[in-house]
Amino acid sequence: EVQLLESGGGLVQPGGSLRLSCAASRFSFSSYAMNWVRQAPGKGLEWVSVISGSGHKTLYADSVKGRFTISRDNSKNTLHLQMDSLRAEDTAVYYCAKRDSFDAFDIWGQGTMVTVSS
Amino acid sequence: QSVLTQPPSVSGAPGQRVTISCTGNSSNIGAGYDVNWYRQLPGTAPKLLIYGNSNRPSGVPDRFSGSKSATSVSLSITGLQVGDEADYYCQSYDSSLSGSVFGGGTKLTVL
Repeated sequence: EVQLLESGGGLVQPGGSLRLSCAASRFSFSSYAMNWVRQAPGKGLEWVSVISGSGHKTLYADSVKGRFTISRDNSKNTLHLQMDSLRAEDTAVYYCAKRDSFDAFDIWGQGTMVTVSS
Repeated sequence: QSVLTQPPSVSGAPGQRVTISCTGNSSNIGAGYDVNWYRQLPGTAPKLLIYGNSNRPSGVPDRFSGSKSATSVSLSITGLQVGDEADYYCQSYDSSLSGSVFGGGTKLTVL
C-alpha cells in the first residue's frame, strides 16, 4: 500500500526551529511533486509548500516564505520541511501529501503536530 | 479568509441529496484550473474524493459527484448516510499566489 509517514513534530518555543520528515513507500517517489499542508487546531487546511520531483523547483505560501525550507532526498524516499523562526500561528498538524498528474493531493500522511509556545 | 469560498455548513436527512459550492475568481477557478475535493473525517487526514472537477478515484462511490461552471464548482452527495458526516474541502491552483489554495471547508451534518 502506498504510504506517507510524517515525523519530527513537537513543542518548540517561539523563534525556534524544527525539522519535519515524511517517509514515502511503495511508489516512485522521485516521479512526483510533494507538498506540505497544515491545519491549525479547529481550522481549515492551508497549503504550505511544494517541491518538484527532481527537487529543483519549490514554492511557498506567503505565510511561511523566508522561514520554511522544503527539500527532498530521492535516494531515501524522504521529504523534509525545515521550519525556522517559528511563531505561535505556525501551531498546526502538518501533513505531507503526494501530488498526482491532476494536481490533486491523492495520498496523505497521518500528520504530525507542531506546537509553538513558551 | 480563504481564497476559495465554501458555505460553513450544510445538512440533510439520510437518503437525501446535498450540494456544496466552491466559488473562486479569475486567478483560480475562473482561469480554468481544475478543482479537487477532499473529505476529512474527525481526527483523520483528508482523503481525495473528486479530482479534475468531476472524476472519482477508485473506491469512491458514485454517490459523490463534482461539476464545474465558469467560476464555481460544486460537490453533490446523494443517498446521504450518517457516515458521510465530515468536513469537505475544495482545492485548486491560484496563479496570482503561485500555489495551491483551499476553501474554508464545509461541515456536513446528517440529521
